[in-house]
Amino acid sequence: QQQVKQSPQSLIVQKGGISIINCAYENTAFDYFPWYQQFPGKGPALLIAIRPDVSEKKEGRFTISFNKSAKQFSLHIMDSQPGDSATYFCAARNPAGNTGKLIFGQGTTLQVKP
Amino acid sequence: DTGVSQDPRHKITKRGQNVTFRCDPISEHNRLYWYRQTLGQGPEFLTYFQNEAQLEKSRLLSDRFSAERPKGSFSTLEIQRTEQGDSAMYLCASSPRSGRAGMGEQFFGPGTRLTVL
Repeated sequence: QQQVKQSPQSLIVQKGGISIINCAYENTAFDYFPWYQQFPGKGPALLIAIRPDVSEKKEGRFTISFNKSAKQFSLHIMDSQPGDSATYFCAARNPAGNTGKLIFGQGTTLQVKP
Repeated sequence: DTGVSQDPRHKITKRGQNVTFRCDPISEHNRLYWYRQTLGQGPEFLTYFQNEAQLEKSRLLSDRFSAERPKGSFSTLEIQRTEQGDSAMYLCASSPRSGRAGMGEQFFGPGTRLTVL
């Protein structure tokens, strides 16, 4: 019940295309869903986040779509660029204990071809 | 640079040795987290500090691991009698009491990559 499942494991997209990464969760208590971007040898960087009372959030080329009833959320990268090539992680926060700890998906390696 | 910093960035050690990593969080962030990331996986929560108090430890944190955050500022993570299975990236993150819109974003450092030979 604590898991966050992410797919696909890897993704290849042409420059200018749309990249879509999906995540699913079981625990309905999760209250915050961030997406992180990680380049090789670097720590994860917060990209965009959403709360479950919102169905969509857009920041620039990045959009989170959230389906509370299906317990699924996805990241859409519009007009994908070679510089977007990185590993993307979805995560979810369990509010129990008020620690704010995040549970991460397994990651998606995105390659954007020029 | 006012981000989270970690030291060292890389550590190679022999099995059985003790290692210690340091994390300096973003100034005034009272929440501090340690995560472990193995190759091809997402980060896994290890432990959480609120100010100087260690409030949660994952069952991943065996008795060979200890973490401290004296005075609620920097934090250290020590691994005693290292094993090859400890090889991973150790990530530190900090979070303000309440972030943008109260969501409490976590900001990660660059990590310490540990290799146990």
